[in-house]
Amino acid sequence: EDKVVQSPLSLVVHEGDTVTLNCSYEVTNFRSLLWYKQEKKAPTFLFMLTSSGIEKKSGRLSSILDKKELFSILNITATQTGDSAVYLCAVKTSGSRLTFGEGTQLTVNP
Amino acid sequence: DTEVTQTPKHLVMGMTNKKSLKCEQHMGHRAMYWYKQKAKKPPELMFVYSYEKLSINESVPSRFSPECPNSSLLNLHLHALQPEDSALYLCASSQGVVGQGYEQYFGPGTRLTVT
Repeated sequence: EDKVVQSPLSLVVHEGDTVTLNCSYEVTNFRSLLWYKQEKKAPTFLFMLTSSGIEKKSGRLSSILDKKELFSILNITATQTGDSAVYLCAVKTSGSRLTFGEGTQLTVNP
Repeated sequence: DTEVTQTPKHLVMGMTNKKSLKCEQHMGHRAMYWYKQKAKKPPELMFVYSYEKLSINESVPSRFSPECPNSSLLNLHLHALQPEDSALYLCASSQGVVGQGYEQYFGPGTRLTVT
């Protein structure tokens, strides 16, 4: 059975802090790993990673994938209160199955 | 247009009602998905349509019936639901299903309450 595990499940920081969110996976027929940010409703796509060691960056957010050790991290620098959300990691396997982790609830306090 | 739209935003229905959820995208995506999300849980895959044909049914009860009338539209017909079916129903689309790394774009969801 495909499995995606995120840690920590919950994180509370102050504005300006840097956070690292973790995602490890055990799946068959890996295709890609995706990070989403979910606030009140639908997840918003952040990054898609398919190759090891290549960092994807968007503003204060960055992510990298390690296909040998089967994990990915999502970094957020200089956090803002607007970064408060659930961050979901999902792994896509063949046949279009997308397996989500439980998510990390990030709270950024002013 | 990089948007997936869903209607209605909210739906309250009784256990004997029949209703439908609608999803639309105009990105030329050939794969569309239905997910169910309960509070504080990640989305669970329900159905995948690829080129308007049902390719994945994740053992979903028959009271949920998907339909893909054309490549831009996806419906989810609901009948004789149970209160535990109350959830956020998310639609998503992607460029394709085969091969590596097609990202999925999600709609805002329909908040369904079954009374």
